[in-house]
Amino acid sequence: QQQVKQSPQSLIVQKGGIPIINCAYENTAFDYFPWYQQFPGKGPALLIAIRPDVSEKKEGRFTISFNKSAKQFSLHIMDSQPGDSATYFCAASTRNTGKLIFGQGTTLQVKP
Amino acid sequence: DAGVIQSPRHEVTEMGQEVTLRCKPISGHNSLFWYRQTMMRGLELLIYFNNNVPIDDSGMPEDRFSAKMPNASFSTLKIQPSEPRDSAVYFCASSLYTEAFFGQGTRLTVV
Repeated sequence: QQQVKQSPQSLIVQKGGIPIINCAYENTAFDYFPWYQQFPGKGPALLIAIRPDVSEKKEGRFTISFNKSAKQFSLHIMDSQPGDSATYFCAASTRNTGKLIFGQGTTLQVKP
Repeated sequence: DAGVIQSPRHEVTEMGQEVTLRCKPISGHNSLFWYRQTMMRGLELLIYFNNNVPIDDSGMPEDRFSAKMPNASFSTLKIQPSEPRDSAVYFCASSLYTEAFFGQGTRLTVV
């Protein structure tokens, strides 16, 4: 119940494409769903986050779509750039603990 | 703010030796987390503290692992004795509410 399942494991797109990364969870107590971006040799960095009371959130070229009934959420990267090449992690937590449970990660490569 | 600071950045040690990893969280944050990252298992939560008190250590793999947080500005993760399967990148993160900030990590290699 504590798991967060992420897919795909890896993704290759051309510059300008729209990569989509999906995550699913079981624990209905989760109420905070962030996405983290990690570059090689660096720690994960918060990219964007959503709470279950909204179905979509946009920040720049990054959009989270959230489907509460299906217990799924996804990250879309609009107009992807080679600089977006990184590993992306979804995560989930409950507000009263702040304990983040991470998905397995998706390695994204954006080709020039 | 300098962010979460971890030391050392890299550690190579021999099997059986004691290893201590250090973390300085962001000032004012009240929660601290230790994660381990490997290719096989991804990012695993080992332990987390709230207001310097260990709240959940269910992710600590074995008794060889221990963590302390003597004050709000310092935490350690100790492995004694270390084994080759402990080789991984260990991250410390801190948060005030829900947004967790990660350090640069310590890459541990046990030979």
